[in-house]
Amino acid sequence: QPALTQPASVSGSPGQSITISCTGTSSDVGNYNFVSWYQQHAGKVPKFLIYGVSNRPTGVSNRFSGSKSGNTASLTISGLQTEDEADYYCISYTSSNYVVFGGGTKLTVL
Amino acid sequence: EVQLVESGGGLVQPGKSLRLSCAASGFTLRSYSMNWVRQAPGKGLEWVSYISSGSTNIYYADSVKGRFTISRDNAKSSLYLQMNSLRAEDTAVYYCARDLSAGSPFFDYWGQGTLVTVSS
Repeated sequence: QPALTQPASVSGSPGQSITISCTGTSSDVGNYNFVSWYQQHAGKVPKFLIYGVSNRPTGVSNRFSGSKSGNTASLTISGLQTEDEADYYCISYTSSNYVVFGGGTKLTVL
Repeated sequence: EVQLVESGGGLVQPGKSLRLSCAASGFTLRSYSMNWVRQAPGKGLEWVSYISSGSTNIYYADSVKGRFTISRDNAKSSLYLQMNSLRAEDTAVYYCARDLSAGSPFFDYWGQGTLVTVSS
């Protein structure tokens, strides 16, 4: 059972914005800014998307943004494009054992 | 160009052992902490193990603790995962992943993965 809770699926139309939540506890998301997000297209290797809650690595589109409030981190994708259709995972540092993953969210672009 | 290339996967019987390797190039491995992450068929990502740059700190997921051993040889630019007492639920693609900086749990580069299938 993943330690971080993500919605199983979200959907949106091209051009719209969507937000994916990642809920943990005070032992992980709530107490540390070591949250990151990854995008994984079907059959592909995960791609580094966001780190330190809201920082984008070089080359990642500014349509992707991250935030955090309390025990919940969020990934927002604005101006949805068909190529955004993928699985998205959050990770957080945890005081109990280095890192925990979210269960993943499947984004469908309608 | 940073590259991570895993090898050593394959079909193995339950209870047997397998050793995975991850060859690093394009950067100085000894400057980075590293991880193994796995993904069972059709399932989500699961962190498996972490090793600090100098092998001082090592962590394991509860699901593999006592059965898997992570190690590294910085001189050979290689990371390893020794997997013993394998179970059907260990069947997965295994990725090695680099930490963005020492001890920061941000996986900036991933290998292409190696498939481990545990079955009789």
